[in-house]
Amino acid sequence: GAVVSQHPSWVICKSGTSVKIECRSLDFQATTMFWYRQFPKQSLMLMATSNEGSKATYEQGVEKDKFLINHASLTLSTLTVTSAHPEDSSFYICSASRDMTGNTIYFGEGSWLTVV
Amino acid sequence: AQSVTQLGSHVSVSEGALVLLRCNYSSSVPPYLFWYVQYPNQGLQLLLKYTSAATLVKGINGFEAEFKKSETSFHLTKPSAHMSDAAEYFCAVSSGNTPLVFGKGTRLSVIA
Repeated sequence: GAVVSQHPSWVICKSGTSVKIECRSLDFQATTMFWYRQFPKQSLMLMATSNEGSKATYEQGVEKDKFLINHASLTLSTLTVTSAHPEDSSFYICSASRDMTGNTIYFGEGSWLTVV
Repeated sequence: AQSVTQLGSHVSVSEGALVLLRCNYSSSVPPYLFWYVQYPNQGLQLLLKYTSAATLVKGINGFEAEFKKSETSFHLTKPSAHMSDAAEYFCAVSSGNTPLVFGKGTRLSVIA
């Protein structure tokens, strides 16, 4: 089956620094990738939708200047948390869609971010 | 707009007992419906999905779910719970060209 890989799985960074999380579709071309955020014991909240070669569409309340999303190729999307603060500590999960039919969406393993 | 309501944030069953996790959805268009499982500190694993074919969907690990349009429900069941089923379960809805919208999740505990 299709595989979506996230890297790193775990990252600790100092407050005020930036950290980049990668999401790769390993065996298919992902026209669309989604970034979700999950706080402990809570559900997944969609942060943004990114389409290859265009600007990401952010959900209401998500700061686009803080959470920079780049989808430069059909197999890679990156989420950069800029000037990270402890409240940004969370589990970030990406998903990739081959063709947006609704049944070809695959999730990455997630990335734990801890800001100290 | 689409939404999902999962009734019961925590469900506890005995090993070998029936598992029933409830999910109701709201969608103005024919929905795609999904159930995912999340084990502690891990990502999401797709259990099963409904995409307008058969209303009774069989998934992995013995789980199944039935799409009932009249009740706007997509409840997840398993005849006999196993200890390894203890996890967080998420129901999600999509219209096919929109991102998945997730419910708040139901934590399943299995008692020996």
